[in-house]
Amino acid sequence: EIVLTQSPGTLSLSPGERATLSCRASQSVSSTYLAWYQQKSGQAPRLLIYGASSRLTGIPDRFSGSGSGTDFTLTISTLEPEDFAVYYCQQYGTSPTFGQGTKLEIK
Amino acid sequence: QLRLQESSPGLVKPSETLSLTCTISGDSFTDASYPSYYWGWIRQPPGKGLEWIGSIYYSGGTNYDPSLKSRVTISVDTSKNKFSLKLSSVTAADTAVYYCAAGFVRDLFDYWGQGTLVTVSS
Repeated sequence: EIVLTQSPGTLSLSPGERATLSCRASQSVSSTYLAWYQQKSGQAPRLLIYGASSRLTGIPDRFSGSGSGTDFTLTISTLEPEDFAVYYCQQYGTSPTFGQGTKLEIK
Repeated sequence: QLRLQESSPGLVKPSETLSLTCTISGDSFTDASYPSYYWGWIRQPPGKGLEWIGSIYYSGGTNYDPSLKSRVTISVDTSKNKFSLKLSSVTAADTAVYYCAAGFVRDLFDYWGQGTLVTVSS
């Protein structure tokens, strides 16, 4: 099983700032199979990024993904009030797994 | 646009079988649409992260989380626009919000139901 470790656990920032979220895998993940989801309180997760760096249609371009191998990053270039949520990475290879999540909160 | 809705059994007793159904709808969804999608179940214990339970593919094949494999069955009923999850021998550790989900790529979930809380308690 591939274990995904996200850091930090909680990130406190202000609207307008840049957010950088990390996802590290216990073994190499093909970039084709790394995704990022956003989950707001009381809601289902929402797919943002797939294939490590491809944005789903309709996702604002302030969201970007990068990385390869065991290290992946989700960047939100300029935080909007609606971006404060929990973010999960997922590898969707042979046996999918999720990271434990990073909570992005308003400072 | 695909819409998914979980059934809501609510409370299940320890050692019993949890059964959930996901009803599929959408403006252009028909029987012919099934092969376009992959279907899955994910759960989220209260205050915790997401856990993939398993998936079923248009080929009929299934894939389950290794830690749950002995207790899980996922099936599709195309005639009723539904797919289902059965989880046997439940314990309190199975208490969670259960989501059904679907996507165009294996185990990548574009569409999600709203989730249903299942509590395991006597």
